[in-house]
Amino acid sequence: AQKITQTQPGMFVQEKEAVTLDCTYDTSDPSYGLFWYKQPSSGEMIFLIYQGSYDQQNATEGRYSLNFQKARKSANLVISASQLGDSAMYFCAMREYLTDSWGKLQFGAGTQVVVTP
Amino acid sequence: NAGVTQTPKFRVLKTGQSMTLLCAQDMNHEYMYWYRQDPGMGLRLIHYSVGEGTTAKGEVPDGYNVSRLKKQNFLLGLESAAPSQTSVYFCASSLAGDHLDNEQFFGPGTRLTVL
Repeated sequence: AQKITQTQPGMFVQEKEAVTLDCTYDTSDPSYGLFWYKQPSSGEMIFLIYQGSYDQQNATEGRYSLNFQKARKSANLVISASQLGDSAMYFCAMREYLTDSWGKLQFGAGTQVVVTP
Repeated sequence: NAGVTQTPKFRVLKTGQSMTLLCAQDMNHEYMYWYRQDPGMGLRLIHYSVGEGTTAKGEVPDGYNVSRLKKQNFLLGLESAAPSQTSVYFCASSLAGDHLDNEQFFGPGTRLTVL
């Protein structure tokens, strides 16, 4: 069963606007971590932001913030003030602690973001 | 500090040929992983290793073998390549331990085509 669901295959956003990328997850493990990675056209995977299941506050890293709604099992990434360099594929991933202690990540299918001038 | 490196970057094989992908990391990480990336499916775990001399199967291990003879290296082997193994392969590494926020560091990827 798919544990990470990203329902938006692709999105267009205008430069300087904010964009929200959806991510829902499925786990019965009380301890888990959620990660967002960026993959530009060059192919490398770049870590953006992390949210732990016990974190009381939403994670923020510069222009990236995570809208974490634990009861709804969603961890949406918000990119503020989009830049042309934000054009990339974005992946949501989850690590479950009790179910699997070896740090394995489970990835969603990704969302392709295109920022237009 | 090179991080995680992968060789080769690109490779074309004929069906039935064999090859080995090499992953090396210089961050003294205990854990290493091999993923494959296919369109519309995100990254899927092939095999992983939690220390030198240990390996384990991931989500899609069939057709692949791995070895971790040295802590810094993790090899992925295809004994008899099939067109279904055409993909982009990523290696990753992370610290050991119980920290949920242990980030995985990824290599640049290897684009493999099997004809």
